Formats: sequence, C-alpha cells, structure tokens
Amino acid sequence: AQTVTQSQPEMSVQEAETVTLSCTYDTSENNYYLFWYKQPPSRQMILVIRQEAYKQQNATENRFSVNFQKAAKSFSLKISDSQLGDTAMYFCAFMKYGTGTASKLTFGTGTRLQVTL
Amino acid sequence: SAVISQKPSRDICQRGTSLTIQCQVDSQVTMMFWYRQQPGQSLTLIATANQGSEATYESGFVIDKFPISRPNLTFSTLTVSNMSPEDSSIYLCSVQGGRTYNEQFFGPGTRLTVL
Repeated sequence: AQTVTQSQPEMSVQEAETVTLSCTYDTSENNYYLFWYKQPPSRQMILVIRQEAYKQQNATENRFSVNFQKAAKSFSLKISDSQLGDTAMYFCAFMKYGTGTASKLTFGTGTRLQVTL
Repeated sequence: SAVISQKPSRDICQRGTSLTIQCQVDSQVTMMFWYRQQPGQSLTLIATANQGSEATYESGFVIDKFPISRPNLTFSTLTVSNMSPEDSSIYLCSVQGGRTYNEQFFGPGTRLTVL
C-alpha cells in the first residue's frame, strides 16, 4: 500500500514571495504519477501539476514547479510570486500506473496555505 | 479537462434517510470514482464506479451503505443510505480516461449535513 505524508499542516507566505510545500511518499512501485491538487474555500479540487515517475525533469506549470527526488521519495511544490488567489488547501497525491482500481489516488493530509498582503 | 457537474451541491438530511448524488461528465471517460472528505480531513476513496458491473469498494465501505450505479460512460450516482451524523461530509466524484488519460479531475462536490 502507498502512503503520502505532508508534514506541514499550515503555512503562510506574503504576496509575491516564494513558498515550498513538502510531500514524501512510500511505495514499492517503480512506475507511478504524483500530483498536487489545490482546494480553495469553494471546495473544488483543482489539479495544479503532475509528475511522471519515469521522468527525471521536474514538472513546471507557470508559477508552480516541483522538486521530484525519486530516490528520496520526495515531491515538493514551489509556488513563485505568490498571489492571494493561491490561498487554499494543497494536497499531494499518488497514483500507480494501471487501469481500473489501480488508478485510485492516495492523498496526503494536506497543507493549508495562507497568502497575506 | 472534462467538465463535471454534481447534484445536489449541498443538502441537509434527517437521520435514517437516504440521499442520491449524481455525477455527470461532458465526455465519455473510462473511470469514475467516488471520494469522501470528512470535515477538516483529506479525501478517502469510497469506490470505483464500473460501467455495466458492480462497483469496486475500498476497505471500510460496503455496497449496502453506499450503493453506486454507472449506467453509461458519462454518468454515475452514489447513494448514502440510512444516514447518521457521521456521514456528514463532502462527497466528490472524479473522472479519468477519455481526454484525461492519466489525470483525475474532480466534480465540485456535494456537501452533506445529517442532523
């Protein structure tokens, strides 16, 4: 079974600054995906970024980038130029390669990020 | 990404009653899932909704309590049966496949309060 750990329950960052959210995971799988999801107060789960385990290059989506360290089983999210709209709960998630129930997501406990003026 | 809608968006129900939540996608998808998010908690998978066959339930969730239907590739329902206050949660459906081959996208969720 997979486990995902987010050790930072809450974080705060000032607008325009950079913040890094941590995530570690445990798995015996070699092929998998990792994701960061954002859940603002509206409760809509929004996919922020995806990383394939076989890719060494870190994924980037505009102001969001990841630091993927496969050997260390670490998958952190960096948010640059933080904006007030980034205020949300952030969940790290793991998914095995495969079809059917193997595609289920395993979530961490989340990090609540507050962006302040 | 797929456009996913859920009905109802929220409801307040009495103990002992049942509620059916609908999930509609704007395109055909391979996989549909139902998750529960208890207050202040992370998401936990309830079951995988299989088209044309019985859903696959995770440990701790049973069909009698959470019957699921998936009559086609764009629609699924989750029923929360014989509700108790402990069932108060956000229920979310997610989809994967079709245009979203290796990503899961979520519906807006249904906030359920059981009195």
